[in-house]
Amino acid sequence: QVQLVQSGAEVRKPGASVKVSCKTSGYTFTSYDINWVRQATGQGLEWMGWMNPNSGNTGYAQKFQGRVSMTRNTSISTAYMELRSLRSEDTAVYYCGRYSYGSDYWGQGTLVTVSS
Amino acid sequence: EIVLTQSPATLSLSPGERATLSCRASQSVGISLAWYQQKPGQAPRLLIYDASHRATGIPARFSGSGSGTDFTLTISSLESEDFAVYYCQQRSNWPFTFGGGTKVEIK
Repeated sequence: QVQLVQSGAEVRKPGASVKVSCKTSGYTFTSYDINWVRQATGQGLEWMGWMNPNSGNTGYAQKFQGRVSMTRNTSISTAYMELRSLRSEDTAVYYCGRYSYGSDYWGQGTLVTVSS
Repeated sequence: EIVLTQSPATLSLSPGERATLSCRASQSVGISLAWYQQKPGQAPRLLIYDASHRATGIPARFSGSGSGTDFTLTISSLESEDFAVYYCQQRSNWPFTFGGGTKVEIK
C-alpha cells in the first residue's frame, strides 16, 4: 500500500534551519510529484511548493522563495523539504503529499516549533 | 496569485441533511479545482479532483460541480463521519492556493 512517512517533530530557534523528510513506499517514487503544505495551529492549509522526483525540478510559492529547498534521494524514495531563516510564524505542521491531479496520499505531518 | 473564497465559513447541519459548500476563484481556473476533507489531527483527504471527479474510495454522496470561477461541493446526505473542515485548492496557476475552509458542524 502507498505510504508516506515523515520525520519526527522538531524544535528550532529563530534564524535556524529545519529539514523534514518524507519517505515513500508502495509506488514508483519517480512517477508522481510531491507537494509540501503547511498548517499553523487552528489555521488553514498553505501550499509551499512542488517537486518532480524524476527530474528534480521544483516550484515554490513566492512567499518561500529563497528560504525553501525541496530535494530528493531517489535511491531511498525519499523527499526532503528544508526551510531556512526560521521565524516564529513558521511554527506549523508540515505535510508532504503525493500529487497528480490532487494530493491523494499524505504523510502524517511533522510539527516544527520555532521558539527562542 | 489566485484567491479562493469559500462560503459559508461554518455550516451547521444535522445528519441526513444536504450540505452545499461554495468555492469562488478570483480568476478562472478552468476545472483545475480539488476538494479536501480534514478532521482534527489528521492530514487532508482528497475527495474531488478536476472539479467533479471523485477520488478513489470516496463515497457517491460526495459530488463536485462547476467551472471557471464558481464551484460547489455537495454532500447529499450527511453521515456522522462527514463533520469536518473542507478546503478547495486550485492547480491552474502557481502557487496552488487553498481556500480558507468551510467547517461543517453538527447542529
